[in-house]
Amino acid sequence: AQSVTQLGSHVSVSEGALVLLRCNYSSSVPPYLFWYVQYPNQGLQLLLKYTSAATLVKGINGFEAEFKKSETSFHLTKPSAHMSDAAEYFCAVSGAGTASKLTFGTGTRLQVTL
Amino acid sequence: DTAVSQTPKYLVTQMGNDKSIKCEQNLGHDTMYWYKQDSKKFLKIMFSYNNKELIINETVPNRFSPKSPDKAHLNLHINSLELGDSAVYFCASSRPGLATGELFFGEGSRLTVL
Repeated sequence: AQSVTQLGSHVSVSEGALVLLRCNYSSSVPPYLFWYVQYPNQGLQLLLKYTSAATLVKGINGFEAEFKKSETSFHLTKPSAHMSDAAEYFCAVSGAGTASKLTFGTGTRLQVTL
Repeated sequence: DTAVSQTPKYLVTQMGNDKSIKCEQNLGHDTMYWYKQDSKKFLKIMFSYNNKELIINETVPNRFSPKSPDKAHLNLHINSLELGDSAVYFCASSRPGLATGELFFGEGSRLTVL
């Protein structure tokens, strides 16, 4: 079984500041890890994914995440926040296999202030 | 040209009624999903179909019945609606077994049960 825990349901940063959204995972098999973003009244969109290749993963819109097995973490970062980054961010985990499913964390709402 | 489209976008109905949500994807994917997002933004998988075959069936009341007439369509029928069914229902699709690790989501169908 897999699960993810997102620390902080709400994160507020100033425009131009570092964004750090935390995600820790639990998995009985080597995990695939993902970050998705949900803008208001929209579906989710993939930001980036880790599927056992490079541990530092770069995604869209300047986001990146680092897989740290020793810490069972997959934190999302962006060096400089932009107002358009305000959204709900979901960490998710799955295992390999045809019947695998994506299990989402509870989400972190990112607020960007002037 | 929308990749994953759901209809209707909004449903408001009375308790005890039956309603259906339709989903279509034009991405050529073999796997489709239904997710439920509650008022706290928590996303939970309900069902998954791979090429019209049910492969994931989470603990969902049997009032919920998915149907996949072909691999591009996945519908959700809900009988005897209850207040707790109020949520946003997302349809998604992917290549088999999350091979690319990416789910493509529709924009959601917001169901309100009065």
